[in-house]
Amino acid sequence: KQEVTQIPAALSVPEGENLVLNCSFTDSAIYNLQWFRQDPGKGLTSLLLIQSSQREQTSGRLNASLDKSSGRSTLYIAASQPGDSATYLCAVTGFQKLVFGTGTRLLVSP
Amino acid sequence: DGGITQSPKYLFRKEGQNVTLSCEQNLNHDAMYWYRQDPGQGLRLIYYSQIVNDFQKGDIAEGYSVSREKKESFPLTVTSAQKNPTAFYLCASSPQTGPSGDYGYTFGSGTRLTVV
Repeated sequence: KQEVTQIPAALSVPEGENLVLNCSFTDSAIYNLQWFRQDPGKGLTSLLLIQSSQREQTSGRLNASLDKSSGRSTLYIAASQPGDSATYLCAVTGFQKLVFGTGTRLLVSP
Repeated sequence: DGGITQSPKYLFRKEGQNVTLSCEQNLNHDAMYWYRQDPGQGLRLIYYSQIVNDFQKGDIAEGYSVSREKKESFPLTVTSAQKNPTAFYLCASSPQTGPSGDYGYTFGSGTRLTVV
């Protein structure tokens, strides 16, 4: 059974810092990995999608990498801003299912 | 704008009642999903559907039922058999299921269900 773990569970940093959020999964037979952002009481917003044949994806200040063989992904946030404060979820796609980690709650202080 | 619409945003259920959560998408996606989110537990799959008139149980289907009569719609009914229904419910869709192609999941804004 696929299990997805995210470390750290919570992170508090001052504005301007570069951040790394970690995601690990137990079964490397995945189709892709997707990073989402969730604001309190809201739905999920897709940030980056990395297909299993890819190593990384970039969007603005966000960069996500994928190492299937080691079962790891990292989300790098450059020059963090207070507006980045949210919970970040990674999810891996296997056959017909999306399995989520429990998230990293990020607080960026001005 | 294409997207997923969930309604209502907040829903209150009395003990013993069935309630239905609505999910509509205009993305022309084939597959639709229902997830439940509880604090500290992440999202868990309730039901999913790949095509009209077909659906499968997810990890926590007991006490829930669904239908898929139209491609755009995938309503979830929380029955009285669900003993702990208070949670945040999220609907999602994707263009296709399977290993080929470039697909990802799109989520709605959620429905918060509370038992009173």
